[in-house]
Amino acid sequence: DTGVSQNPRHKITKRGQNVTFRCDPISEHNRLYWYRQTLGQGPEFLTYFQNEAQLEKSRLLSDRFSAERPKGSFSTLEIQRTEQGDSAMYLCASSIGSKNTEAFFGQGTRLTVV
Amino acid sequence: DQQVKQNSPSLSVQEGRISILNCDYTNSMFDYFLWYKKYPAEGPTFLISISSIKDKNEDGRFTVFLNKSAKHLSLHIVPSQPGDSAVYFCAARGNQAGTALIFGKGTTLSVSS
Repeated sequence: DTGVSQNPRHKITKRGQNVTFRCDPISEHNRLYWYRQTLGQGPEFLTYFQNEAQLEKSRLLSDRFSAERPKGSFSTLEIQRTEQGDSAMYLCASSIGSKNTEAFFGQGTRLTVV
Repeated sequence: DQQVKQNSPSLSVQEGRISILNCDYTNSMFDYFLWYKKYPAEGPTFLISISSIKDKNEDGRFTVFLNKSAKHLSLHIVPSQPGDSAVYFCAARGNQAGTALIFGKGTTLSVSS
């Protein structure tokens, strides 16, 4: 399967714990995006990488959130000291470097903070 | 402030008829527009896109129309099929390569047989 892969698919954690999600983009895609989606909303942009460089961060990305993309391949999104409000679907997407191209999404990681 | 708006949360259509999903945007810097389809517990799947230099793009049963002066786009599905039942998201991107897609809240389409 050559699509965008996200792990884990589901994560239940206790409030205050740290969690880390992984995204493996399509291999030739140099752009990688993280989004968050809550019930009744569309995906909300969190952050974006071009290769290993994190080029843009949304104001939604609080200090408790950190994302990395070492070597410009897979990416991780870590949430420290999770809060109930962090419960959401976390989506990763990737695209190639041309201007008018679509982004391909993974199946997401569903986070539930209890 | 929502830059991409889908004002109809839901739409019900009979099989074989046309489905029309609407989307409005406020940012005049948007120049590339996309529609995604999403089933429960899955990520969004790309459906069709249109650049601002065009006013129509067609792909099989799916056609997207863009009215730049009205800052409005629509997705037409003809004929609608029960398998089209899903949430449809409109998304827009600014005119710099790599900028993030901004999504609307989605419209849930139900196609009955």
